[in-house]
Amino acid sequence: EAQVTQNPRYLITVTGKKLTVTCSQNMNHEYMSWYRQDPGLGLRQIYYSMNVEVTDKGDVPEGYKVSRKEKRNFPLILESPSPNQTSLYFCASSLPGKSYNEQFFGPGTRLTVL
Amino acid sequence: GQNIDQPTEMTATEGAIVQINCTYQTSGFNGLFWYQQHAGEAPTFLSYNVLDGLEEKGRFSSFLSRSKGYSYLLLKELQMKDSASYLCAVRDPKNTGFQKLVFGTGTRLLVSP
Repeated sequence: EAQVTQNPRYLITVTGKKLTVTCSQNMNHEYMSWYRQDPGLGLRQIYYSMNVEVTDKGDVPEGYKVSRKEKRNFPLILESPSPNQTSLYFCASSLPGKSYNEQFFGPGTRLTVL
Repeated sequence: GQNIDQPTEMTATEGAIVQINCTYQTSGFNGLFWYQQHAGEAPTFLSYNVLDGLEEKGRFSSFLSRSKGYSYLLLKELQMKDSASYLCAVRDPKNTGFQKLVFGTGTRLLVSP
């Protein structure tokens, strides 16, 4: 089954404790992206990757890091989480190109930073 | 920059028709998407418009007017399971493989019996 998976689905942590949220897709998609979703603000892009070893900042990259060592995986790293990073996080992937290429979203990771 | 506006919330009755509007101001245009998102779940793709006009897909249709910066999603024969948020998103025209999406804040639709 074609899918995007994220782990963990739920996480409660404390300020300053490094964490990684994993994202994996089995559709051989080149493009992957991380979003956060907050009430009243909608989905905002954190980082994206157009292919292996090619990553770039989205609209709200502060406090986050990413890596793309393999095509299927795109982990999101919070080196020193803070309470303002409490949010619902989604990973997404798609094929590149200008035509109709929908983004497939993972199930989401609900993160609480105390 | 990009700016996308949608109503925050709408209510409708089972069996009815509802139209959810989306207006956008962007520095370029490469397509508009509609996604459905049930509470706490992932967004799922509904429709894509890049040319003016109406795209129909079963009970759902989406319309685009590029000159007016306007789109709507039309839902017919509403069912209770249509209660969800509906997200309008436009492609950011910057050279990001044409895949970067800028989302509106979403319209929460409540369908009552």
